[in-house]
Amino acid sequence: DTGVSQNPRHKITKRGQNVTFRCDPISEHNRLYWYRQTLGQGPEFLTYFQNEAQLEKSRLLSDRFSAERPKGSFSTLEIQRTEQGDSAMYLCASSLSLAASYNEQFFGPGTRLTVL
Amino acid sequence: RKEVEQDPGPFNVPEGATVAFNCTYSNSASQSFFWYRQDCRKEPKLLMSVYSSGNEDGRFTAQLNRASQYISLLIRDSKLSDSATYLCVSNSGGYQKVTFGTGTKLQVIP
Repeated sequence: DTGVSQNPRHKITKRGQNVTFRCDPISEHNRLYWYRQTLGQGPEFLTYFQNEAQLEKSRLLSDRFSAERPKGSFSTLEIQRTEQGDSAMYLCASSLSLAASYNEQFFGPGTRLTVL
Repeated sequence: RKEVEQDPGPFNVPEGATVAFNCTYSNSASQSFFWYRQDCRKEPKLLMSVYSSGNEDGRFTAQLNRASQYISLLIRDSKLSDSATYLCVSNSGGYQKVTFGTGTKLQVIP
């Protein structure tokens, strides 16, 4: 399968614990995005990487959230001191963009986080 | 006001019916628009881009009205397999920031 993959698919944690999610984009894609989606809502943009550079962060991304893409390939999203409000589906998407224009984003299956 | 607004539905329509969804956007700087489809508990997938001149892909037609700041999606001859949530997306350029609407749920009934 050469699509976007995310691990783990499900994560249950206790409030206050730290969690880390991983996203492996489609191999030649240079852009990578993280979104959060809650029930009945569309995906909300969290952050965006072009290669290894994190170029944009949403106001939704509080100090407890950090994302990295160290070698411009896979990315990790860490949430520290989780809160119940962090429970959501975390989606990763990637795209191949050669110019300053929109190119189709391919989404991974998501990581469903439940904070107890 | 949300940057992209959609009627959440659900729209319950019989097989073979024609159904239309509208989506309004508030950022006049938005440059490009798309419709994504999301099946229950699955990831979103691109359905079609929306061009100023309007575009058609089989039973699906998308149109953009910049003056009124809305886009539409028309589905003709609805199939059971069209049942899904349809997400309206705008891109305001820059660093590829995209904004999703909340989605419109469609249920096609036999």
